Amino acid sequence: GAVVSQHPSWVICKSGTSVKIECRSLDFQATTMFWYRQFPKQSLMLMATSNEGSKATYEQGVEKDKFLINHASLTLSTLTVTSAHPEDSSFYICSARDRGGKNQPQHFGDGTRLSIL
Amino acid sequence: GENVEQHPSTLSVQEGDSAVIKCTYSDSASNYFPWYKQELGKRPQLIIDIRSNVGEKKDQRIAVTLNKTAKHFSLHITETQPEDSAVYFCAASSGYSTLTFGKGTMLLVSP
Repeated sequence: GAVVSQHPSWVICKSGTSVKIECRSLDFQATTMFWYRQFPKQSLMLMATSNEGSKATYEQGVEKDKFLINHASLTLSTLTVTSAHPEDSSFYICSARDRGGKNQPQHFGDGTRLSIL
Repeated sequence: GENVEQHPSTLSVQEGDSAVIKCTYSDSASNYFPWYKQELGKRPQLIIDIRSNVGEKKDQRIAVTLNKTAKHFSLHITETQPEDSAVYFCAASSGYSTLTFGKGTMLLVSP
C-alpha cells in the first residue's frame, strides 16, 4: 500500500520551456502533498506544501510564480516549472501524506530528473 | 522551527558489522521520527518510524531508539549487508507539521 506515482521520471528540454510534473497517490487520499528539490549528494529541500483545494505554502526563497503548484483533488498535485532555465535543473520529488490523522508517514514518488539545456 | 542534525555524514563498515546513525532535534514538540533509505537516483523509502510514546522499535535487523529528554534518536542496523549501502535520512515532525530532514548519512557496506 501507500504508493505515490510521479511522472515524468526524466525530462530534457530547452531553456524557456515550461515543464509539468504530476504526483498521484494511488491507493490513499492525500490532503497534503509536498514538493522537494534535491541536489546531488544533498538532503531533500522542501519547496512547498500543497493542500487540496487551497493555495500552496511556499518555503522562503522559492518563487511561487516560477514553481506553480496545483492540488485539485485528493490524489493529484502538479508542479509546473515555468520558463525553465539551466539553473532549474535538479531532481524534483513529491511526497504525499495519508489524510488519516496526525503523524502519518510521508510516501515519496520516484522523482523527476529535470535537465534544462 | 525544527532543526535536525545528523551524524555521521559518511559511514563505512564491513559486511556483518553493525551501523549506527544518530540524529538530534531541537523542537521539544516533535513527536514523530521516521527514517528513510535512498538508493542512488531513487525515491526515499520509509524503513522504520517511531513515535514519542515509545523508546525503542525494532524490525528485523533495523531498530530505532528515542531519547526524548536528550532530544536524540538513532538508527541501528545489525548484520549489515552490501544491499544496505545507501543514503539514510532521519526526520522529525509534530502533529500535522511537515517533516524536517537531516542532511543524510551515506552508508557503505563492503563485502
